[in-house]
Amino acid sequence: AQSVTQLGSHVSVSEGALVLLRCNYSSSVPPYLFWYVQYPNQGLQLLLKYTSAATLVKGINGFEAEFKKSETSFHLTKPSAHMSDAAEYFCAVSEIPNKYIFGTGTRLKVLA
Amino acid sequence: NAGVTQTPKFQVLKTGQSMTLQCAQDMNHNSMYWYRQDPGMGLRLIYYSASEGTTDKGEVPNGYNVSRLNKREFSLRLESAAPSQTSVYFCASLTGTSGKETQYFGPGTRLLVL
Repeated sequence: AQSVTQLGSHVSVSEGALVLLRCNYSSSVPPYLFWYVQYPNQGLQLLLKYTSAATLVKGINGFEAEFKKSETSFHLTKPSAHMSDAAEYFCAVSEIPNKYIFGTGTRLKVLA
Repeated sequence: NAGVTQTPKFQVLKTGQSMTLQCAQDMNHNSMYWYRQDPGMGLRLIYYSASEGTTDKGEVPNGYNVSRLNKREFSLRLESAAPSQTSVYFCASLTGTSGKETQYFGPGTRLLVL
């Protein structure tokens, strides 16, 4: 069965520092993986997705994620945090068509 | 394109009252979803509809019913609201069935059950 684990419900970084949000998945077949961002009082927006092409996926707002099959990970990174990156981030996996499993989310705080 | 719209934005109910949450999409998507979001639990799937005329249970369907009225609209009904149904509800849609499509989310409905 597919599942997603996000390590760290809250992450704080200084403005300009590296952002690293962790996501590990469990899947019996090659999965499709997604990162979504949710700003306060809004719905989720897609940041990036992995669909079995390049293992390093670039998304919007300078974010990227690398699919590592050996580690069953899909961590989200950004070289330099900006105040506007403060939001909640969700990792999701799709193994079965039409079924998406979301992680519990990581709230990112950016310190001035 | 308005994308995915949800009404109402906020609602307060008393225990035992009923209500219907409305969702509509103008992207001609086949699949539509209802999720609930609770602190520390992420998004959990309540029901989904792979196409007009079909609906399937998700992870947490108890206490809810859905109707896929047409391709555009997918409503969620609480027949007898309970405090445990206090949550933020999101509707989403996508096209295709490969699993790698992008889901588009509505802005959410905040529901408080007293």
